[in-house]
Amino acid sequence: DTEVTQTPKHLVMGMTNKKSLKCEQHMGHRAMYWYKQKAKKPPELMFVYSYEKLSINESVPSRFSPECPNSSLLNLHLHALQPEDSALYLCASLDRATGEQYFGPGTRLTVT
Amino acid sequence: RKEVEQDPGPFNVPEGATVAFNCTYSNSASQSFFWYRQDCRKEPKLLMSVYSSGNEDGRFTAQLNRASQYISLLIRDSKLSDSATYLCVVNIMDSNYQLIWGAGTKLIIKP
Repeated sequence: DTEVTQTPKHLVMGMTNKKSLKCEQHMGHRAMYWYKQKAKKPPELMFVYSYEKLSINESVPSRFSPECPNSSLLNLHLHALQPEDSALYLCASLDRATGEQYFGPGTRLTVT
Repeated sequence: RKEVEQDPGPFNVPEGATVAFNCTYSNSASQSFFWYRQDCRKEPKLLMSVYSSGNEDGRFTAQLNRASQYISLLIRDSKLSDSATYLCVVNIMDSNYQLIWGAGTKLIIKP
């Protein structure tokens, strides 16, 4: 099973809402990632978790709060977002042996 | 200078033609290399890893030149379904597990 799942697929939220994005993988990968992708741009790294600990935070605003409850799950908690935060949010996990990254289908977020 | 550089294109190529992309990287400690393909409004998908000796998967051939710090992707007998953005990714395999992404090259195959 080389699948990374993400929920929800689509999310529309107001600037005062609180919502969470979820990601799950059962490949035993111990590095997991959140990326943000805008149209016609490459994925932009937000956070990296290694062995359930945050190892990289790419100066992401605190309105984005990641959480890694266990080795299979990764959450991204959203609060007081801005319209410019509208984007495709991608979760990925890494096979450390090969360096290959596997992506979920993404959550398309619209902030109104 | 960007860590991983690609020509953004678009490359407009007739169906059946051969097309090649290059990608240069700046970190000589880079250890593993990949080509990903991304269709519009979809997630990136691993197309192929790039090995030091070069490797081929059907119509796709990837090459690595460590001395000049570039990787290449060759697509032969291009199909309409090859239209996508091709992203070059470099992994320095450090303890942060950070991968460095190129900006992508857009390929359009025309009938």
